[in-house]
Amino acid sequence: TQLLEQSPQFLSIQEGENLTVYCNSSSVFSSLQWYRQEPGEGPVLLVTVVTGGEVKKLKRLTFQFGDARKDSSLHITAAQPGDTGLYLCAGYGGKLIFGQGTELSVKP
Amino acid sequence: GAGVSQSPSNKVTEKGKDVELRCDPISGHTALYWYRQSLGQGLEFLIYFQGNSAPDKSGLPSDRFSAERTGGSVSTLTIQRTQQEDSAVYLCASSSQGTNEYNEQFFGPGTRLTVL
Repeated sequence: TQLLEQSPQFLSIQEGENLTVYCNSSSVFSSLQWYRQEPGEGPVLLVTVVTGGEVKKLKRLTFQFGDARKDSSLHITAAQPGDTGLYLCAGYGGKLIFGQGTELSVKP
Repeated sequence: GAGVSQSPSNKVTEKGKDVELRCDPISGHTALYWYRQSLGQGLEFLIYFQGNSAPDKSGLPSDRFSAERTGGSVSTLTIQRTQQEDSAVYLCASSSQGTNEYNEQFFGPGTRLTVL
């Protein structure tokens, strides 16, 4: 069974701080996606990484796929209150396998 | 509308009753997925449709759960004899092609099911 472990599960920080969320597995995935979900809404895709070692940037968000395609990280620089939400990683191995999510709260 | 829609948005039912949850995917999307999300948790895959066929229904938790899709569009997830542990948000997603590593899934807002 393929599993994805996200850490931390909860993160509460002040506006302007940096943070990193980790997504780890013992399994290899063809790709890894990061989603953001706000209360009462479905997840929205932020990025897909496919190649081992790949780094993608989306404004203040930096996503990295591990060399062995078993892990990924999301780094947010100078977090804003608008970044608040549930961040989910999902690995593709025939279907999407989701991590349990990281609940991020950014206080002004 | 342009996005995935789900109905009802909220459903409260009594233990033992049957419920039907509906999903309207984005027009033209051939693939449709159902997931279950418990409070503050990640998404648990339930079933995948390609057209009207379900090549992967491995995530359905028990035979009380069933789903169908008609006309390559609307899908209904049915839970019979609901139990309290069925309480969760049920999310539907659609995509323009079959499942693959590049696939972007577009999610609906979900149906929050509460079983009393």
